[in-house]
Amino acid sequence: EAGVVQSPRYKIIEKKQPVAFWCNPISGHNTLYWYRQNLGQGPELLIRYENEEAVDDSQLPKDRFSAERLKGVDSTLKIQPAELGDSAVYLCASSSQGPVVGIQYFGAGTRLSVL
Amino acid sequence: DQQVKQNSPSLSVQEGRISILNCDYTNSMFDYFLWYKKYPAEGPTFLISISSIKDKNEDGRFTVFLNKSAKHLSLHIVPSQPGDSAVYFCAASGGGGADGLTFGKGTHLIIQP
Repeated sequence: EAGVVQSPRYKIIEKKQPVAFWCNPISGHNTLYWYRQNLGQGPELLIRYENEEAVDDSQLPKDRFSAERLKGVDSTLKIQPAELGDSAVYLCASSSQGPVVGIQYFGAGTRLSVL
Repeated sequence: DQQVKQNSPSLSVQEGRISILNCDYTNSMFDYFLWYKKYPAEGPTFLISISSIKDKNEDGRFTVFLNKSAKHLSLHIVPSQPGDSAVYFCAASGGGGADGLTFGKGTHLIIQP
């Protein structure tokens, strides 16, 4: 079974430029999460989707961040415009509502550097 | 305010001995706890979990203990192996595990030969 796939793995941009990250969750997983991990910290939740509905976006900085999950499968996280402080690793995770609720499976992440 | 705390940034253990990683939490609404292992340039990998209705869960060399009254959990690895060297994150969730995870800052475990 394929895991959570994220692309690109690395992205370097200049400040004020837009950037987008893509995530393909594990097949059949209806819950999808985006996290941001700063250096030396644990991941922090940005947004949670149940199918195509964003059920928790309270931590998403909505002035510059946006996300979508069309058809309840793949998801895209966008930053426009990027700021220096957005440099971090952006992680996508997915989980199912099967017998073992709560285990989230993570992708390898996208490391963003804003110059 | 950090709701999940891992107070040891690093831990060095000799190969074959027991590794004990600790985690404290403050939010009484958390009812599901997980440990993740992370290698450099990879995403976190699920290791073991425990529900708040239990006080112990075991999977091979890994055992997680939960003390709800102290709001404390620990991960025991016995025996420790070189491949266990990684950063370990403690995470907690509410809603029976359906909510997003709140992570600690991680503990870097180093297994020495």
